[in-house]
Amino acid sequence: EDQVTQSPEALRLQEGESSSLNCSYTVSGLRGLFWYRQDPGKGPEFLFTLYSAGEEKEKERLKATLTKKESFLHITAPKPEDSATYLCAVQVVNDYKLSFGAGTTVTVRA
Amino acid sequence: DVKVTQSSRYLVKRTGEKVFLECVQDMDHENMFWYRQDPGLGLRLIYFSYDVKMKEKGDIPEGYSVSREKKERFSLILESASTNQTSMYLCASSLDLGRGDTEAFFGQGTRLTVV
Repeated sequence: EDQVTQSPEALRLQEGESSSLNCSYTVSGLRGLFWYRQDPGKGPEFLFTLYSAGEEKEKERLKATLTKKESFLHITAPKPEDSATYLCAVQVVNDYKLSFGAGTTVTVRA
Repeated sequence: DVKVTQSSRYLVKRTGEKVFLECVQDMDHENMFWYRQDPGLGLRLIYFSYDVKMKEKGDIPEGYSVSREKKERFSLILESASTNQTSMYLCASSLDLGRGDTEAFFGQGTRLTVV
């Protein structure tokens, strides 16, 4: 059975304090790994797709990387507006659906 | 921009009622999904559809059914609402495999409370 585990569950950061979120996965054949941001009471907002080990993608203060077993979301010099829950999801080969981790809730204090 | 629209942001229904949650997408996506999200459990897939009139059960289909009569519209039906179906419901859509990137785009969510 496909499994996606995110750590830590919660992360409290001071503004400017860089950190990383982890998403480890066990799947039969990875097609893609996806990162989403979710604000309270709203639907997830798509951030990145990673398809192969070694791939990296960046958007503003966020950088996502992928290995054969896990993905990291690095937040560089975070600001309070980066506070959100970050979700990762995996899609396996020849399948339509995404399987999600439970998320990491990031709080950035000014 | 892809737009996925859910018909209600908040709903309050009574136990035993039949409940319809509607979702419409405007990007000609083949795939549509219904998830529910509960604290500590993450997003769990209820049903998905890869074509009109086609549907497949997800991980937690019990107590739910779906309808997809048109490509852009996917409905989730709670046949007889129960309190354990109180949750945030999220609809999503994506392109078919082979047509491009297959990330899912989500609606704003429907917070359903069953009393």
